[in-house]
Amino acid sequence: DAGVIQSPRHEVTEMGQEVTLRCKPISGHNSLFWYRQTMMRGLELLIYFNNNVPIDDSGMPEDRFSAKMPNASFSTLKIQPSEPRDSAVYFCASSLAGESYEQYFGPGTRLTVT
Amino acid sequence: KNQVEQSPQSLIILEGKNCTLQCNYTVSPFSNLRWYKQDTGRGPVSLTIMTFSENTKSNGRYTATLDADTKQSSLHITASQLSDSASYICVVASYSSASKIIFGSGTRLSIRP
Repeated sequence: DAGVIQSPRHEVTEMGQEVTLRCKPISGHNSLFWYRQTMMRGLELLIYFNNNVPIDDSGMPEDRFSAKMPNASFSTLKIQPSEPRDSAVYFCASSLAGESYEQYFGPGTRLTVT
Repeated sequence: KNQVEQSPQSLIILEGKNCTLQCNYTVSPFSNLRWYKQDTGRGPVSLTIMTFSENTKSNGRYTATLDADTKQSSLHITASQLSDSASYICVVASYSSASKIIFGSGTRLSIRP
């Protein structure tokens, strides 16, 4: 298995632009998680899905952030409009079923908003 | 307030030596505690997951302990190798009306030859 796949690996955009991050979880995993990591705040859970349904989105910072999971093999995290404080590494992770199980992280997308 | 605190923030040891990283938490109700290793520029990789009833769990040279009464966990690394240089993150999951995952800020470990 290729593991969790994220794209792009790096994204540089100007403030105000829309950014879309993509994730393909491990086949057969029912849960998907989006995290953000910064030097100041460490790792933060943004949202997680179970069987394509958002279960907890309390970590989503603002309405500018939205996440979708249209099917079991694909999810997106969108930021519109982007701001410099959104600069961070965004990780996607998947697990067999829920947050109690081992999570497998993707390589992350490094986002820089100028 | 649910918190996870790790110590030390950073640690430098010589190759071959042992070390112990600490994690204290105030998360309630407790579901499980995990230790992750994160190499620079990569995603975290799970080392161990422990539930309330587990006191010790090993993964090769890594041994995690959990004291649910004192809400403390430790990660012991035996015979350290250069490849152990990484950040080690303690994560506690809580079952509540909205399940929560709380991350520690990590310990940055450097192994010197």
